[in-house]
Amino acid sequence: DGGITQSPKYLFRKEGQNVTLSCEQNLNHDAMYWYRQDPGQGLRLIYYSQIVNDFQKGDIAEGYSVSREKKESFPLTVTSAQKNPTAFYLCASSIGRLNYGYTFGSGTRLTVV
Amino acid sequence: GENVEQHPSTLSVQEGDSAVIKCTYSDSASNYFPWYKQELGKRPQLIIDIRSNVGEKKDQRIAVTLNKTAKHFSLHITETQPEDSAVYFCAASKEVGSFGNEKLTFGTGTRLTIIP
Repeated sequence: DGGITQSPKYLFRKEGQNVTLSCEQNLNHDAMYWYRQDPGQGLRLIYYSQIVNDFQKGDIAEGYSVSREKKESFPLTVTSAQKNPTAFYLCASSIGRLNYGYTFGSGTRLTVV
Repeated sequence: GENVEQHPSTLSVQEGDSAVIKCTYSDSASNYFPWYKQELGKRPQLIIDIRSNVGEKKDQRIAVTLNKTAKHFSLHITETQPEDSAVYFCAASKEVGSFGNEKLTFGTGTRLTIIP
């Protein structure tokens, strides 16, 4: 998947359940990002991390949590506090310097059942 | 923070005609402007980008123009083909301290349909 892998591709969550989306990259990129995509709303930033062991809230962080214990990995947990989690989730990475663009993963489609 | 507006939200053009998508940004410090193409059910892919020290950049049938004074940039696709049908996103970011580029702020997307 072009150096950045998201899993699973499809995920179903029951009400009140926490789920974790995986994102792994082998591009040696410093920065990693999580975006949520809803129809007609473009890509909205959930969390981002520019360096290991550090991360920042994006525009819609409520109900989500992340960790960045390794450079290669940036998992996203969708908690029960997220009231409308059904969406397409995209992970991305970038070099983090000199304004290079993102490389995106193939996405995870999360559905609440 | 940065705000990026994108127009139109949908665009239909006859095959072979040109398509233009426009974006405006709010933060005058933004200096990097990429465009992404997302085909149905797939990941966004970078198709072209421009930095603030350049007014125009071209890659085959795709070009991007930047007007820093007016804070807007545009994507131009000439001689459109059916495979150009997709959703296109513009984005903007700026450099922040020692980390380099800050997070990208995306527009809301334009669904481009090429009519055969």
